[in-house]
Amino acid sequence: KQEVTQIPAALSVPEGENLVLNCSFTDSAIYNLQWFRQDPGKGLTSLLLIQSSQREQTSGRLNASLDKSSGRSTLYIAASQPGDSATYLCAVSTGGFKTIFGAGTRLFVKA
Amino acid sequence: GAGVSQTPSNKVTEKGKYVELRCDPISGHTALYWYRQSLGQGPEFLIYFQGTGAADDSGLPNDRFFAVRPEGSVSTLKIQRTERGDSAVYLCASSSLGLAGATGDTQYFGPGTRLTVL
Repeated sequence: KQEVTQIPAALSVPEGENLVLNCSFTDSAIYNLQWFRQDPGKGLTSLLLIQSSQREQTSGRLNASLDKSSGRSTLYIAASQPGDSATYLCAVSTGGFKTIFGAGTRLFVKA
Repeated sequence: GAGVSQTPSNKVTEKGKYVELRCDPISGHTALYWYRQSLGQGPEFLIYFQGTGAADDSGLPNDRFFAVRPEGSVSTLKIQRTERGDSAVYLCASSSLGLAGATGDTQYFGPGTRLTVL
């Protein structure tokens, strides 16, 4: 059974700091891995999607890496801003359809 | 439409009642997903549609939960004999691919329906 774990559960950093969020999954047979952002009371916004054949994806200040063999992904956020404060969720698609989410990392960036 | 929409945004019901939650996916998206999210947790997969058919309903918790997508667009999640434990935010997502074995399948989420069972 696929399980997704995110560490840390919560993180508070000063504005401008670079930071790394971690995601691990137990079954390496995945189709893709996605990172989402969720603001309080809102739905999820897709940030980056890494296909199973890829090692990383970049979008602006965000960079996500994928190491399938070790069951790990990291989301790197450069020069963090207060507007980055949100919950970040990692999700793996397995079996073609089912998507399994981690519990998320709650990020607070202090001005 | 411009994005995934869900109605109602909030639903309060009494234990034992029947509820329907609606999802309008992005126009042209063939794949549609339902999730349930409890406080402090990530979304939990419930069911996936490819077109009109439920390709994977393994996440539905029991036979009180049922979902339909009769014309391959709008979907309705139906919950019978609601229980207090059904209280959660129900999220819907759609994507343009979702075919078996396909990759590069970004899911676009709606704002969710907050269900409270008293």
